[in-house]
Amino acid sequence: QVQLQESGPGLVKPSETLSLTCTVSGGSISGYYWSWIRQSPGKGLEWIGYVHYTGSTDFNPSLRSRVTISRDSSKNQFSLKVKSVTAADTALYYCARSGDDSRGYPDYWGQGALVTVSS
Amino acid sequence: EIVLTQSPATLSLSPGERATLSCRASQSITSYLAWYQQKPGQAPRLLIYDATNRAAGIPARFSGSGSGTDFTLTISSLEPEDFALYLCLQRSGWPHTFGGGTKVEIK
Repeated sequence: QVQLQESGPGLVKPSETLSLTCTVSGGSISGYYWSWIRQSPGKGLEWIGYVHYTGSTDFNPSLRSRVTISRDSSKNQFSLKVKSVTAADTALYYCARSGDDSRGYPDYWGQGALVTVSS
Repeated sequence: EIVLTQSPATLSLSPGERATLSCRASQSITSYLAWYQQKPGQAPRLLIYDATNRAAGIPARFSGSGSGTDFTLTISSLEPEDFALYLCLQRSGWPHTFGGGTKVEIK
């Protein structure tokens, strides 16, 4: 059974960089798209971006200038960085997997990591 | 960006009743729509993909219909575990976007 687990600081100061890692167990990163999706009371669910197992990426245009997503196949992990954060970046951050077997829709999700932006 | 509008915001029903949830897209997304169920403290769970196909392990009481801009999720007879938040997701255009959700609550 594939499992995803987010990890990283729960509190980030304004203007600093938010960093999260998703560790995948029970399966390989190969063959799939790996996404970061966040959820906040004000904006609902927002797709931040994804990294393909080949390393290709795409990002939500609203966040593109501030976001980096990368993968480390040797560790079966992928990571998110959001720079210059503000209170609007406070959210529950999910990592998720999409692939051919789910027709491109996220079918496995992590439990979510709450990140608060505050001084 | 494609906007998904879900209605109603809240649906108050009793166990055994039929639930009909709507998701409307701001432009045609053909059949590139999924439905998710989310319970408090949990990640979303994939129910339906490509508008009409049940995901693995999803009970037959869940069904999806529609294409183009108008989509419906139907729960034929509500079980106690079905009271939750339901979300639609489109992957026709980038960025992929979610609807605001319909909360199905116990009447």
